[in-house]
Amino acid sequence: GAVVSQHPSWVICKSGTSVKIECRSLDFQATTMFWYRQFPKQSLMLMATSNEGSKATYEQGVEKDKFLINHASLTLSTLTVTSAHPEDSSFYICSASGRTHEQYFGPGTRLTVT
Amino acid sequence: DAKTTQPTSMDCAEGRAANLPCNHSTISGNEYVYWYRQIHSQGPQYIIHGLKNNETNEMASLIITEDRKSSTLILPHATLRDTAVYYCIVRFSGNTPLVFGKGTRLSVIA
Repeated sequence: GAVVSQHPSWVICKSGTSVKIECRSLDFQATTMFWYRQFPKQSLMLMATSNEGSKATYEQGVEKDKFLINHASLTLSTLTVTSAHPEDSSFYICSASGRTHEQYFGPGTRLTVT
Repeated sequence: DAKTTQPTSMDCAEGRAANLPCNHSTISGNEYVYWYRQIHSQGPQYIIHGLKNNETNEMASLIITEDRKSSTLILPHATLRDTAVYYCIVRFSGNTPLVFGKGTRLSVIA
């Protein structure tokens, strides 16, 4: 199957700082990438959908100015959590979709804001 | 997207078949049934998907009822490594995102 990587796998940052998470499709071109967030003991929640070269579409309740998504190439999307606060601590997971429209998930990034 | 209903949790003895049910009574004709699983602190892993016919791959079998209102995922010989949360998702073809419900927490017991 197709491989999707995320970097970093975990990060600890101080409140008020910004954190960037990268999502890469390693062996296919991802025309669409999806970002999810998962709090402990809960399911994955879709945050936004990004198409290469276009602005991301955010789900209701997700602040676009706080969670900046860039999808500048067919193999890379980034999620930047700006001015992070402890309530942003979560498991962030990306998925990538290409020509076949199947979604392949990355391993996730655990963010802890202190 | 149509919603799915799954039991919150299930237990299965190691080596036995695990049968995970899913109700999707409002599924539309163009929606596929997908199954993913998530092992603790990892990204979801694709298992199998189907539209109308039963499907089988190296991981599992998917049985879809004739009216398509429910399905069952079968892991033929469960191992301890199959302990995970299993998600049943209905989704149109094309580039629509997967929308996750609460899933079923399967515990495989030695």
